[in-house]
Amino acid sequence: GENVEQHPSTLSVQEGDSAVIKCTYSDSASNYFPWYKQELGKGPQLIIDIRSNVGEKKDQRIAVTLNKTAKHFSLHITETQPEDSAVYFCAAKNYGGSQGNLIFGKGTKLSVKP
Amino acid sequence: DAGITQSPRHKVTETGTPVTLRCHQTENHRYMYWYRQDPGHGLRLIHYSYGVKDTDKGEVSDGYSVSRSKTEDFLLTLESATSSQTSVYFCAVRTSGGLNEQFFGPGTRLTVL
Repeated sequence: GENVEQHPSTLSVQEGDSAVIKCTYSDSASNYFPWYKQELGKGPQLIIDIRSNVGEKKDQRIAVTLNKTAKHFSLHITETQPEDSAVYFCAAKNYGGSQGNLIFGKGTKLSVKP
Repeated sequence: DAGITQSPRHKVTETGTPVTLRCHQTENHRYMYWYRQDPGHGLRLIHYSYGVKDTDKGEVSDGYSVSRSKTEDFLLTLESATSSQTSVYFCAVRTSGGLNEQFFGPGTRLTVL
């Protein structure tokens, strides 16, 4: 089945710097890759996603890139702000098998220092 | 919040007691999911439902059962709670119509003593 590895597990940046979180997946049939942000005491919130027919997607200060050949995808946050501090999860999904359930990475705790 | 509520939000129980967690959605989504979240493990799928009375197992289903008698409600039951089931439980729904995005509820923190 699918396996998703996420790195780093913790990331600390200064306000205004960029942050990059990387994920790799094992199943070449996976074709949907969402990213979630989880603030303390809350449920994960979908912030951006990408499908296998595109290589990059951008939404204001966040962007996601996908390299299907290498089977990895990344979340890029530019001009980080203290409110970006949270745990971020990547996930991969194969629409074709097992009802297409999401497999999650273990998460990255991002700290943005003012 | 995609119209998802979970109840209770917090529960403390003793080993061996039955526990039922409820997930309620207001937007008529066909797919519903139960996950558990533990430090170092991320989010792991327990069970999911693809319609009323249609359910299937996920990655970590042992010790859990589910029921879905109405579109809006998805129940997770621990028949005899164990300390290893201390966790935060999240319900999620999946949208249809091509996007198939998944949205999570606020979670239930369960402690089994």
